[in-house]
Amino acid sequence: GEDVEQSLFLSVREGDSSVINCTYTDSSSTYLYWYKQEPGAGLQLLTYIFSNMDMKQDQRLTVLLNKKDKHLSLRIADTQTGDSAIYFCAESTGGFKTIFGAGTRLFVKA
Amino acid sequence: DVKVTQSSRYLVKRTGEKVFLECVQDMDHENMFWYRQDPGLGLRLIYFSYDVKMKEKGDIPEGYSVSREKKERFSLILESASTNQTSMYLCASTPGRSTDTQYFGPGTRLTVL
Repeated sequence: GEDVEQSLFLSVREGDSSVINCTYTDSSSTYLYWYKQEPGAGLQLLTYIFSNMDMKQDQRLTVLLNKKDKHLSLRIADTQTGDSAIYFCAESTGGFKTIFGAGTRLFVKA
Repeated sequence: DVKVTQSSRYLVKRTGEKVFLECVQDMDHENMFWYRQDPGLGLRLIYFSYDVKMKEKGDIPEGYSVSREKKERFSLILESASTNQTSMYLCASTPGRSTDTQYFGPGTRLTVL
């Protein structure tokens, strides 16, 4: 069945780059997403990539997609304490359902 | 900006009580969703609705029901709350029938004693 996996925790120092990785199983995924959840809040879309793209850059964020390996990564350059949050990887295949990973908790040390 | 609101941020109920969680979106979205979020399990889909009065079971519908009488409002009902339903409940909506970004409410943290 469909599954999205990601590590549960990542710790980096302020100013370093963070790389959050995700693997998914459904090869028919159309869109892949990264959502951010700050403490006490719901999820907010951070960025997304269409499945026919390899890379997308948006300011400090870089998304890399390796479709062959079904691997998605999110790189945050110059990580700040305000980036501390839970980051969810998600995939959808054009239907109603979006499959979410368990979330990676990013902890930024000052 | 799309706004998705949920009726309560925190709720404490007793085992066996009937619980209503309300969600309202103000952007005329077609689709609405209820998820529960538990540590290490991510978001699991309980029910979704693609139109008024239409509903579909998600991955974990047992113990829950839903109601969508108006397009903007999607209610999650726990007929008889149990302690294993203690969780964070998130509502989301999307504009159309294709693969759209999900817009989330702030969540309701439900504790069942």
